[in-house]
Amino acid sequence: EDQVTQSPEALRLQEGESSSLNCSYTVSGLRGLFWYRQDPGKGPEFLFTLYSAGEEKEKERLKATLTKKESFLHITAPKPEDSATYLCAVGAGRRALTFGSGTRLQVQP
Amino acid sequence: AAGVIQSPRHLIKEKRETATLKCYPIPRHDTVYWYQQGPGQDPQFLISFYEKMQSDKGSIPDRFSAQQFSDYHSELNMSSLELGDSALYFCASSAKSSEKLFFGSGTQLSVL
Repeated sequence: EDQVTQSPEALRLQEGESSSLNCSYTVSGLRGLFWYRQDPGKGPEFLFTLYSAGEEKEKERLKATLTKKESFLHITAPKPEDSATYLCAVGAGRRALTFGSGTRLQVQP
Repeated sequence: AAGVIQSPRHLIKEKRETATLKCYPIPRHDTVYWYQQGPGQDPQFLISFYEKMQSDKGSIPDRFSAQQFSDYHSELNMSSLELGDSALYFCASSAKSSEKLFFGSGTQLSVL
């Protein structure tokens, strides 16, 4: 059974205070690891797909990295508009994505 | 750009009633996924369809059924509703050649 564990559950940062979110996974036949951003009452918004260990992707203040057991979402100099829940998901074989429980990020001005 | 459209946006039902949720995928997307997300919970996969055929099944209760139509829109039918069915129901679509799922804004179902 695919398992995705995200930590921390919640994170409060000051504007400009960089940090990292963790996603550890157990999966057979990883097809891809996905990061999504979700705002309250809205659907998850796609951020990144990582396919193999060592891969990195960047978008504005976000950078995602992948190892064989975990992924990190690094947030550099965050702004209040980065406040959201960040979800990690794995796709394995032909199965649908399995999501983690997310990290609720709050960035204070 | 066109996004995934879900209707209705909000739905209030009584216990034991039925509900139908609709999803219109992004044009040229042939795969539709349904997820259920309880308050503060991660999205739980229910069921998916590719080219109008069921492609994967998750934790969908027997009281629920779904299908994908010839125009690729999908409907999730929920019967004998229970209080625990109250949740945000998301539909996502993708092109078969892509791993990227695009989510709709969801239907908030409240069972009273």
